[in-house]
Amino acid sequence: ETGVTQSPTHLIKTRGQQVTLRCSSQSGHNTVSWYQQALGQGPQFIFQYYREEENGRGNFPPRFSGLQFPNYSSELNVNALELDDSALYLCASSLDRGAGELFFGEGSRLTVL
Amino acid sequence: AQSVTQLGSHVSVSEGALVLLRCNYSSSVPPYLFWYVQYPNQGLQLLLKYTSAATLVKGINGFEAEFKKSETSFHLTKPSAHMSDAAEYFCAVSDLGRDKIIFGKGTRLHILP
Repeated sequence: ETGVTQSPTHLIKTRGQQVTLRCSSQSGHNTVSWYQQALGQGPQFIFQYYREEENGRGNFPPRFSGLQFPNYSSELNVNALELDDSALYLCASSLDRGAGELFFGEGSRLTVL
Repeated sequence: AQSVTQLGSHVSVSEGALVLLRCNYSSSVPPYLFWYVQYPNQGLQLLLKYTSAATLVKGINGFEAEFKKSETSFHLTKPSAHMSDAAEYFCAVSDLGRDKIIFGKGTRLHILP
């Protein structure tokens, strides 16, 4: 059984640029959640996708957007990068909405200069 | 709104001593509660979860947590700390729909030789 995989693992961008982060969910999981974890903080919920539709969003601006594909993999896109976007971005999949348990990837560490 | 508060951003215990990490929750409905562990440069791994069954929940690596409704607490314990337990621990609560998970700020556990 393949777990949650994320790419890239590390990347460096400059202010104003755009970034796309990718996530492959665990086999059999139809729900993907994205979290932002700033240094020394807990993960903050960005949004969740269920069967290719957005199923809730946290307190993040519209320049954070996402997609989920028919195979349930997902992308997180961030436009107009700001210095405060520097963080570890975590993808988590779950068996279904309300399953109550998240399976996390190892994250993509984004540095914005 | 659902939330969790973790008391103590850093906790140090000696190897072999009792581990106690504190978590209090706020929820307008019977909550689902979780403890996750994060090792350096890794994603989060589920230690244990409470979903309204037994109030004493046993997890992996010898950890357990007790749900106490009267105290709105879900503290994590382990009878005897091991050096490999050094990590960041996050308490989390499900949202009203039970399909999103909200994390606390985390407690870093240090094990002293």
